[in-house]
Amino acid sequence: AQSVTQLGSHVSVSEGALVLLRCNYSSSVPPYLFWYVQYPNQGLQLLLKYTSAATLVKGINGFEAEFKKSETSFHLTKPSAHMSDAAEYFCAVSVLYSGGGADGLTFGKGTHLIIQP
Amino acid sequence: NAGVTQTPKFQVLKTGQSMTLQCAQDMNHNSMYWYRQDPGMGLRLIYYSASEGTTDKGEVPNGYNVSRLNKREFSLRLESAAPSQTSVYFCASSPTTGWASYEQYFGPGTRLTVT
Repeated sequence: AQSVTQLGSHVSVSEGALVLLRCNYSSSVPPYLFWYVQYPNQGLQLLLKYTSAATLVKGINGFEAEFKKSETSFHLTKPSAHMSDAAEYFCAVSVLYSGGGADGLTFGKGTHLIIQP
Repeated sequence: NAGVTQTPKFQVLKTGQSMTLQCAQDMNHNSMYWYRQDPGMGLRLIYYSASEGTTDKGEVPNGYNVSRLNKREFSLRLESAAPSQTSVYFCASSPTTGWASYEQYFGPGTRLTVT
């Protein structure tokens, strides 16, 4: 079975500081991993995804994530936080549903990123 | 290209009332999904449809039914709404079925309150 755990339901950083959002996964097969962002009152938007092509993945808005198999982690980072980064962030892993042979995603519970001026 | 659209955006129901949430995508995707989002719970899958004509239960299907009307449209029905179904509902679509690395594309959500 595949699952993800996001450490920290809320993370607060100062504007200009490093952003680090943690995600650990569990998967019995080589995983595909995703980070999504949700701005207030909006749907989810893909930030980046890991598909085994490269362990360091660059996404939109200056975010990147590194896949570390030995640590079963896929942490999201951004060197310098901006006020516009304030949002909810979700880590997700591909899962093969037992019911119909379709694939999908299972999500972590989310991390709310707060940017202090 | 509108992506994934959902109607309505907001809805208030009384306990016991029924309603249908509509979802459509114009990306020619095979797979479609319904999730609910509750504070501190992340997104939980209600139902999914791997392809036109097929639907399957997800993690939290009780109290819901779905219809994959055609390749574009996937509706979610609450037959007898309960306060526990107060939530934000998201529809999503994905290009393919089978084990793959395709991401899901999300609609803007429907905020449902059941009193």
